[in-house]
Amino acid sequence: GQQLNQSPQSMFIQEGEDVSMNCTSSSIFNTWLWYKQDPGEGPVLLIALYKAGELTSNGRLTAQFGITRKDSFLNISASIPSDVGIYFCAGRVGGGSQGNLIFGKGTKLSVKP
Amino acid sequence: NAGVTQTPKFQVLKTGQSMTLQCAQDMNHNSMYWYRQDPGMGLRLIYYSASEGTTDKGEVPNGYNVSRLNKREFSLRLESAAPSQTSVYFCASLMGPTNTGELFFGEGSRLTVL
Repeated sequence: GQQLNQSPQSMFIQEGEDVSMNCTSSSIFNTWLWYKQDPGEGPVLLIALYKAGELTSNGRLTAQFGITRKDSFLNISASIPSDVGIYFCAGRVGGGSQGNLIFGKGTKLSVKP
Repeated sequence: NAGVTQTPKFQVLKTGQSMTLQCAQDMNHNSMYWYRQDPGMGLRLIYYSASEGTTDKGEVPNGYNVSRLNKREFSLRLESAAPSQTSVYFCASLMGPTNTGELFFGEGSRLTVL
């Protein structure tokens, strides 16, 4: 079945630094979603991408749908302590009628003040 | 607007006991999902319901049953709990078309099976 490779698995950064994480696959996707999960909470949608090459921002967050449709990245600029959490990418394979998303295993972000 | 509501939030079971996790959404979404989250494994789909009256297996359905009671409610049942089912369970509903929509998650139900 399809798999998403999300990297890095974890990051320890200093407050104010920029963060970059990505997801890759051997499959082509028609949708990429990026979620953040705070400790003890459910994932919350950050950014949704629907077209190859699409670049979308949400405040300090920027995500891109890779031109090959097999990858996506998420950047966080000028990190702050509340950015701590687990970030998940999720992709949907084109042509499916079920709409099921495939999730990466997450990037755990820690921010040192 | 509550979104997706799950109950209970915490539960401890003994091996062999049964229980049902309840999920309700008030966003008038057609599709609903149950995932489990385990350390290092990400989110894995257990069952989903593309519309009222239909249910389908996901990646890890063994040991679980589901019921789509109506458009709002989608329950997950463990008939005979096993320690391997210790996990955090998330219900989600889908906004938009099934081939492009966005998932909205509940806050999770933390289940421990002893």
